[in-house]
Amino acid sequence: GIQVEQSPPDLILQEGANSTLRCNFSDSVNNLQWFHQNPWGQLINLFYIPSGTKQNGRLSATTVATERYSLLYISSSQTTDSGVYFCAVEQVWNSGYALNFGKGTSLLVTP
Amino acid sequence: ETGVTQTPRHLVMGMTNKKSLKCEQHLGHNAMYWYKQSAKKPLELMFVYSLEERVENNSVPSRFSPECPNSSHLFLHLHTLQPEDSALYLCASSQDPAGGWELFFGEGSRLTVL
Repeated sequence: GIQVEQSPPDLILQEGANSTLRCNFSDSVNNLQWFHQNPWGQLINLFYIPSGTKQNGRLSATTVATERYSLLYISSSQTTDSGVYFCAVEQVWNSGYALNFGKGTSLLVTP
Repeated sequence: ETGVTQTPRHLVMGMTNKKSLKCEQHLGHNAMYWYKQSAKKPLELMFVYSLEERVENNSVPSRFSPECPNSSHLFLHLHTLQPEDSALYLCASSQDPAGGWELFFGEGSRLTVL
């Protein structure tokens, strides 16, 4: 299956700082999503971004499909941004499709 | 109503019990999924149902049994589980992939096996 590697594994920021999270994947993909897992365990969709650039408030994402990586930018971080950020890519699985997840980047934003 | 709802949110069971996790999606999707998230491990795909047809992952132990009676409901039946099965079980749904699809998750059911 497609390998998904995320970096860094852990990140501590002071409130107001900016950060970049990276996702490398081993093959071409038709679907790539970024999720935020909050402290209660729920996975929240951030971006569906198989290619190109998108922005949503303080968050933006860029996927360079030809070079097999995606970046998630967090600007002016807030304590509520804390949690785990996952990158996931489409994988054909038996006769269906699913998302294959990286190990995540655990982010802690301190006051 | 939230898009994907899971019940119960927390479950404690003994190894000889039989219980079920329930998932319901209100998004009009036609594919549903069970994922398992253990401590310190990435999310693992367990089962996929696409257009109510099961796409089985043969590596999932038979003590986990999925059921998808219609495109809006998904169950995970649990029996004779082991303590190592304690994890967060996440249900998700999507439109059947045909050029662009997004996965949406429920809040998860946190299972503890004693």
